[in-house]
Amino acid sequence: DTEVTQTPKHLVMGMTNKKSLKCEQHMGHRAMYWYKQKAKKPPELMFVYSYEKLSINESVPSRFSPECPNSSLLNLHLHALQPEDSALYLCASSQDGKGGNTIYFGEGSWLTVV
Amino acid sequence: QQPVQSPQAVILREGEDAVINCSSSKALYSVHWYRQKHGEAPVFLMILLKGGEQKGHEKISASFNEKKQQSSLYLTASQLSYSGTYFCGTGPWGSNYKLTFGKGTLLTVNP
Repeated sequence: DTEVTQTPKHLVMGMTNKKSLKCEQHMGHRAMYWYKQKAKKPPELMFVYSYEKLSINESVPSRFSPECPNSSLLNLHLHALQPEDSALYLCASSQDGKGGNTIYFGEGSWLTVV
Repeated sequence: QQPVQSPQAVILREGEDAVINCSSSKALYSVHWYRQKHGEAPVFLMILLKGGEQKGHEKISASFNEKKQQSSLYLTASQLSYSGTYFCGTGPWGSNYKLTFGKGTLLTVNP
């Protein structure tokens, strides 16, 4: 089963709200990713967790806060977002970070900031 | 560094063939191909590795030219279901962590 599950599928939040995106995989993968995708653009890497430790932060603003509670779960905490943060947020996972391992994407969470 | 994809868009009739190219200014170790339909997540198609190893899940072929630092995705006898945006992703040697995607190629297959 090659499945990455994301919730919620759609989220509308105000600029003063605090919300979280959740991601889960049960493939035993040890690398998990957050990507951001704007309309008609490719996915852009935000964060990478490797073996439950934050490995890469692509200079993402602090209003985005990732968390990896265990090897199967990945959260993205959102606070004081801006309208330009509205996008599709994709969670992904791979066996580990070695080149040649398939990266599997979840269906994404559509975020609208009003 | 972002790989360059060509063409940016292509329109086919059902049954026709298409080739999508992905070029990098840096040496390639692996190239990952994905297809994304409108409003959906990217779906994995294929990985090509330096040295010729190829892994995929669908009946789509691809090539990896190390000297040209280029990969090509071949879609033969296209079906309506092939429509979507195709992305290639490349990463530094031995690591998937910082996979960078090209801008995408929009493929439209008409009846």
